[in-house]
Amino acid sequence: QVQLEQSGAEVKRPGASMKISCKASGHSVANFYMHWVRQAPGQGLEWMGIINLSGVTAHYAQKFQGRVTMTRDTSSNTVYMELASLTSDDTAIYYCARKAGTGGRHFDLWGRGTLITVS
Amino acid sequence: QSALTQPASVSGSPGQSITISCNGTNSDIGAYDYVSWYQHHPDRAPTLLIYDVTHRPSGVSLRFSGSKSGNVASLTISGLQADDEADYFCCSYTSFSPLFGGGTKLTVL
Repeated sequence: QVQLEQSGAEVKRPGASMKISCKASGHSVANFYMHWVRQAPGQGLEWMGIINLSGVTAHYAQKFQGRVTMTRDTSSNTVYMELASLTSDDTAIYYCARKAGTGGRHFDLWGRGTLITVS
Repeated sequence: QSALTQPASVSGSPGQSITISCNGTNSDIGAYDYVSWYQHHPDRAPTLLIYDVTHRPSGVSLRFSGSKSGNVASLTISGLQADDEADYFCCSYTSFSPLFGGGTKLTVL
């Protein structure tokens, strides 16, 4: 079954860092770009960035520049998103979402989300 | 960039049709035919309903359709069913990045 399985909910202290995993099954992370998107309580979705096919290059939303790092491990078929210097504003559900292939400008597969609470 | 604007909630009775709007600008929805729509049931992964304004992925019911006029995209759900009760959000690619709507909660009465 093709799916994205995300790591579990966490509570973090302000100033700490977090690292979320997104493990792919039924497909290879080496063949797709992967986005990260978050939704704060009562807010809409917010795009954070994307990691490309090679896993070497990532493009981040300006808001998160310098604080976010997206990586990929093809051996475990997993992508990761690390966010540093957490504040209460980072309390949100974080989603990984696969970019549709062949030039698609949409997301054809999502994870169920990971709740991060900063308190 | 500001998020796309969606109504916070819509409702309809089983069998009826509803339309959810997604208002953008001439820098996003008006500039590109890259509008997509997603359904999100609580505690589940969001799923793709519509991409490139009007296209349905295989497996998505014909009851779901998308359209666009100027800076406004719309999702229409016909023949409402109880399982359609969920959150729906739109997305438009811009020249920089994807931009999302605030989400619309659909209640099936």
